[in-house]
Amino acid sequence: DAMVIQNPRYQVTQFGKPVTLSCSQTLNHNVMYWYQQKSSQAPKLLFHYYDKDFNNEADTPDNFQSRRPNTSFCFLDIRSPGLGDAAMYLCATSRDRGFTEAFFGQGTRLTVV
Amino acid sequence: AQSVTQLGSHVSVSEGALVLLRCNYSSSVPPYLFWYVQYPNQGLQLLLKYTTGATLVKGINGFEAEFKKSETSFHLTKPSAHMSDAAEYFCAVSDGRGSTLGRLYFGRGTQLTVWP
Repeated sequence: DAMVIQNPRYQVTQFGKPVTLSCSQTLNHNVMYWYQQKSSQAPKLLFHYYDKDFNNEADTPDNFQSRRPNTSFCFLDIRSPGLGDAAMYLCATSRDRGFTEAFFGQGTRLTVV
Repeated sequence: AQSVTQLGSHVSVSEGALVLLRCNYSSSVPPYLFWYVQYPNQGLQLLLKYTTGATLVKGINGFEAEFKKSETSFHLTKPSAHMSDAAEYFCAVSDGRGSTLGRLYFGRGTQLTVWP
């Protein structure tokens, strides 16, 4: 089945140690998003790619970076994770920017110790 | 700018009872509206969406929602709750038709508990 796959499902990292989360999609969608969801809160958009065009949200910390080497893959890099970065990270895709829906992966639960 | 308000962070119903989850939105353009469901430690799954056309939309698992422009509402209902409906529900609005940004704006979520 076509889908959005996030790896790993659970990630534990040390305070200040760089970590990378990955997302792949078989939908061939143009747009890929990264959301951060803290406990009992709404998902918050960090940034998105429209094809190779990177769009950062104004309030996304510089500590968060992203790469999209090709249509299928997108990575979220956290350069120096702090305790406040512990959250569920959700990857999503949509066919185009004037989209009708977004398809979400299962998420990666990040713990910072 | 787009925003979503979900009234009630927690809703509890008995199995077999009506489920009503409230969502009001603010949008400067004709909106696209969505309801997503999230089970513990899972991603978001689309329940239903409104884009254009019929204002009463039916989704998966027996859920439906009605777009009421005059009330700026998009409440989610299900006639008879099932234990498996227990989850977190998010209402979302997009930038809308012809958007060049493609963002989804989520409400804070409503946790639905279903009692046996």
